[in-house]
Amino acid sequence: DTEVTQTPKHLVMGMTNKKSLKCEQHMGHRAMYWYKQKAKKPPELMFVYSYEKLSINESVPSRFSPECPNSSLLNLHLHALQPEDSALYLCASSLPPDRGITYEQYFGPGTRLTVT
Amino acid sequence: GENVEQHPSTLSVQEGDSAVIKCTYSDSASNYFPWYKQELGKGPQLIIDIRSNVGEKKDQRIAVTLNKTAKHFSLHITETQPEDSAVYFCAATAFWGGFKTIFGAGTRLFVKA
Repeated sequence: DTEVTQTPKHLVMGMTNKKSLKCEQHMGHRAMYWYKQKAKKPPELMFVYSYEKLSINESVPSRFSPECPNSSLLNLHLHALQPEDSALYLCASSLPPDRGITYEQYFGPGTRLTVT
Repeated sequence: GENVEQHPSTLSVQEGDSAVIKCTYSDSASNYFPWYKQELGKGPQLIIDIRSNVGEKKDQRIAVTLNKTAKHFSLHITETQPEDSAVYFCAATAFWGGFKTIFGAGTRLFVKA
């Protein structure tokens, strides 16, 4: 199983709502990632988890709150978002850092978020 | 900050021709260079990658080259087919407490039948 799944596929939320994005993988990967991709732009790294601990936060606003409850799941909690936060949110996973070896990331299909 | 530049932004070729996409990176700590293909409505899909201790890698119609001294890497697709039409991203990964991947701006490839 080389699949990363993301739910929901689409999400429309108001600026006062609280919602969560979910990502799941069963490949035994212990590194998981959140990326944001605006239309016609490349993915931009937001957060990296290694062994369920937050290892990189790319200065993301606090209205985005990641959570890694176990080695298979990654959540992104959303609160008080702005219309400019509308984008495709991609989750990825990989084997964790190991003796200097960098491993390939597998991406999910993304959640298309619209903030109204 | 770290940066990956990618050219061209758009590439149109005739079916059967070759396509070449070039990238440069700035972070000397980068040691892994993946290439992704992204089709409309889908997440990026890894098509080939190269590590910093290798100069060239080939997988059927796709090849990548890496010049670590010049910080250049390239993707070559031979015998292009209409189904190769997509957006292609180069990327560079470095370890900064976790794997940090920076993507190039992307190349929209059109293969005309």
